[in-house]
Amino acid sequence: GNSVTQMEGPVTLSEEAFLTINCTYTATGYPSLFWYVQYPGEGLQLLLKATKADDKGSNKGFEATYRKETTSFHLEKGSVQVSDSAVYFCALLPNYGGSQGNLIFGKGTKLSVKP
Amino acid sequence: SQTIHQWPATLVQPVGSPLSLECTVEGTSNPNLYWYRQAAGRGLQLLFYSVGIGQISSEVPQNLSASRPQDRQFILSSKKLLLSDSGFYLCAWSSGTPYEQYFGPGTRLTVT
Repeated sequence: GNSVTQMEGPVTLSEEAFLTINCTYTATGYPSLFWYVQYPGEGLQLLLKATKADDKGSNKGFEATYRKETTSFHLEKGSVQVSDSAVYFCALLPNYGGSQGNLIFGKGTKLSVKP
Repeated sequence: SQTIHQWPATLVQPVGSPLSLECTVEGTSNPNLYWYRQAAGRGLQLLFYSVGIGQISSEVPQNLSASRPQDRQFILSSKKLLLSDSGFYLCAWSSGTPYEQYFGPGTRLTVT
């Protein structure tokens, strides 16, 4: 079946440190991949996406590359800020008819950035 | 532009009481609509989704139900709340491909 595995948190970094949050997936065919971010007490916001192999999604300094060969979609940022503290969710959308657009989410990784 | 609203923002209800949470979407037609629950410290659990008026699919059997009386309105209900129903309830919508979902601000439900 389809599934998403994220590194367990919490991840604690100092401001301006490099961030990597690992995400691997299991799916048939070529799913679309997403990263969502949830700030405390809020809903989820779409951070970036990639719809085919080797695509790189980017937004707000965050990047993730769709790696078909390693079934991965790791999230990276070169220099984190305190305002990046949030929970990050990796998600996939199976690419087959009748999926109804039902995303499959990882369990989330909490990031805390200290000044 | 599209916006999604949820209310109430927070709710405290006793065990055994009824529940009604509302979600509305503006700026789009015939969206897919979703209800998720996020328990404390856990990931998202898809509860219901709908591809049109009156069309509801349930992902998890439980004491909750959903209805879609209008194209852009999605309601989550319960006749009798359980303690385990506490959590953060999120509504989302999607349209077209690649079906990325856009989430509302959520409702924090505490069952006492």
